[in-house]
Amino acid sequence: GAVVSQHPSRVICKSGTSVKIECRSLDFQATTMFWYRQFPKQSLMLMATSNEGSKATYEQGVEKDKFLINHASLTLSTLTVTSAHPEDSSFYICSASSSAASDTEAFFGQGTRLTVV
Amino acid sequence: DAKTTQPTSMDCAEGRAANLPCNHSTISGNEYVYWYRQIHSQGPQYIIHGLKNNETNEMASLIITEDRKSSTLILPHATLRDTAVYYCIAYPGGDYKLSFGAGTTVTVRA
Repeated sequence: GAVVSQHPSRVICKSGTSVKIECRSLDFQATTMFWYRQFPKQSLMLMATSNEGSKATYEQGVEKDKFLINHASLTLSTLTVTSAHPEDSSFYICSASSSAASDTEAFFGQGTRLTVV
Repeated sequence: DAKTTQPTSMDCAEGRAANLPCNHSTISGNEYVYWYRQIHSQGPQYIIHGLKNNETNEMASLIITEDRKSSTLILPHATLRDTAVYYCIAYPGGDYKLSFGAGTTVTVRA
């Protein structure tokens, strides 16, 4: 099946710094990618929809100035956590579909474990 | 997405079939039933999906009731590596937003 790759898989950063997470579709072009956040023992929560060549669409309650999303090409979307704080520590996951058509499954990256100290 | 209801957890014995139920009584005509699973500290993995016919692939079988209000995911011979959280999701697929519920935590025991 299609492959979505995230980098890095783990990152530890100091409070107040920014962290960039990359999400790549390795064998298909994705006009739309999605970013999720998952806290311990909870389900995945959709943060935003990343659209190639346009601004991301954020879910209610997600700060767009804190979680910067860039989707500059059909194979790469990045999520930057700006001025990170310990409460931003979480598991961040991206997904993409190989086709905009329905009846197409989404593929997920392996996730990025962010720890802010 | 239509709301789905799944049991919180279930245990099954290694080598036996695991039957995971899901209720989706408000599913729309354009929504498929998708199943994903998430092994600890990994991204979700696609398992199978269907619209109204039963489906089978190398991982599992999906049985959808005729009225499409519920479905069952069948893992034919559960192994310890099948221990994961299983999510049943009703959505159109493709570039539509995919929202996750709480899922079913499946523990396969030796």
